[in-house]
Amino acid sequence: NAGVTQTPKFRVLKTGQSMTLLCAQDMNHEYMYWYRQDPGMGLRLIHYSVGEGTTAKGEVPDGYNVSRLKKQNFLLGLESAAPSQTSVYFCASSYSLDISYNEQFFGPGTRLTVL
Amino acid sequence: DQQVKQNSPSLSVQEGRISILNCDYTNSMFDYFLWYKKYPAEGPTFLISISSIKDKNEDGRFTVFLNKSAKHLSLHIVPSQPGDSAVYFCAASFVGTASKLTFGTGTRLQVTL
Repeated sequence: NAGVTQTPKFRVLKTGQSMTLLCAQDMNHEYMYWYRQDPGMGLRLIHYSVGEGTTAKGEVPDGYNVSRLKKQNFLLGLESAAPSQTSVYFCASSYSLDISYNEQFFGPGTRLTVL
Repeated sequence: DQQVKQNSPSLSVQEGRISILNCDYTNSMFDYFLWYKKYPAEGPTFLISISSIKDKNEDGRFTVFLNKSAKHLSLHIVPSQPGDSAVYFCAASFVGTASKLTFGTGTRLQVTL
């Protein structure tokens, strides 16, 4: 049981390049999330998904796109990377019971630098 | 607009003493609060939570207190251990939002020998 895994762990991009971050979970969770963490800012929600084939915007969605084609995978795409997207990206997942609360399980993070 | 605030960026405590980490929130709709712990180069891990219908929740050395009137919660760690040295994030959520979390900026706790 690997939990939540993220690929890659590190990446350096040049401005304007594109890339996709992959998140996978093996806990059969319905909900998945992408966050970014910047110094002094805590974690901010980029996009999230409440099930296969669904996505929704979070707090800071601009410049990012996501897809949830399979329940276990949640992809985060940067079409044209900008230096402001230099950050550590965390994926998380949780159970789907919206009438109660379930903790989110986080992946180890992807450190992205955009030059 | 920072809805969840952790005003102390860092805290240093001696081993064996109590660590108290504080968190304030502004959105009165929040009804569930969580604390996450994060080590360097790792993802956050869930530590303890509390529902707004309670004012205290305890799990071993960790206790979370909630004061709804003051919109304030705190995490107490007793006794503090060197392995507790990490960044602690306070987070909040409310029903009907797909368990989305709003995080504070974190407090770095250092437990010294």
